[in-house]
Amino acid sequence: DAGITQSPRHKVTETGTPVTLRCHQTENHRYMYWYRQDPGHGLRLIHYSYGVKDTDKGEVSDGYSVSRSKTEDFLLTLESATSSQTSVYFCAISDRLAGGLSYEQYFGPGTRLTVT
Amino acid sequence: GQQLNQSPQSMFIQEGEDVSMNCTSSSIFNTWLWYKQDPGEGPVLLIALYKAGELTSNGRLTAQFGITRKDSFLNISASIPSDVGIYFCAGRNTGTASKLTFGTGTRLQVTL
Repeated sequence: DAGITQSPRHKVTETGTPVTLRCHQTENHRYMYWYRQDPGHGLRLIHYSYGVKDTDKGEVSDGYSVSRSKTEDFLLTLESATSSQTSVYFCAISDRLAGGLSYEQYFGPGTRLTVT
Repeated sequence: GQQLNQSPQSMFIQEGEDVSMNCTSSSIFNTWLWYKQDPGEGPVLLIALYKAGELTSNGRLTAQFGITRKDSFLNISASIPSDVGIYFCAGRNTGTASKLTFGTGTRLQVTL
């Protein structure tokens, strides 16, 4: 298994409070991603990073911010949580394979966030 | 944002049966991937396809990259109870920082 951990694994918070989710990798991979998973929508990309301090928006980035100050850590912040952000959040990592052109994403175990 | 259409949405089959599912897109992809997700866990990569027409196997799983580059198929032979889970397809294009577009998933349930 790829060395990816997410913390916390479960969190319940109230509407309007800030929340930060952490993704930590031990693979030294260049790319890191945050997805949310909701019934009927599959996995949707929130933000991604292609290096330290280099981040960009995905398709559902409104209400979320990210930071990457070290290769191994990618933080997802909900500045003011809303009930629509209740979801399961997955972190993924990838990198260019040695000698090849392919990038493959490997996923962490997920964080279940409930906003009441 | 774009999502890939997977069918069927769910399947209920008996142990030992073969399973087929597919994934279609309105646009082309250079790479197709198939993931499996068990309850309470993250998706796990099963098969990666890099060339149109390519047929790749991983044990009892066989996947194909459609010749039009707009679809992909996954077959599971002789299903067993541990095949239960949700199967996702994903498409990727070169130079997109490895960003993936995911399908909506096929839920597979296997009975003894």
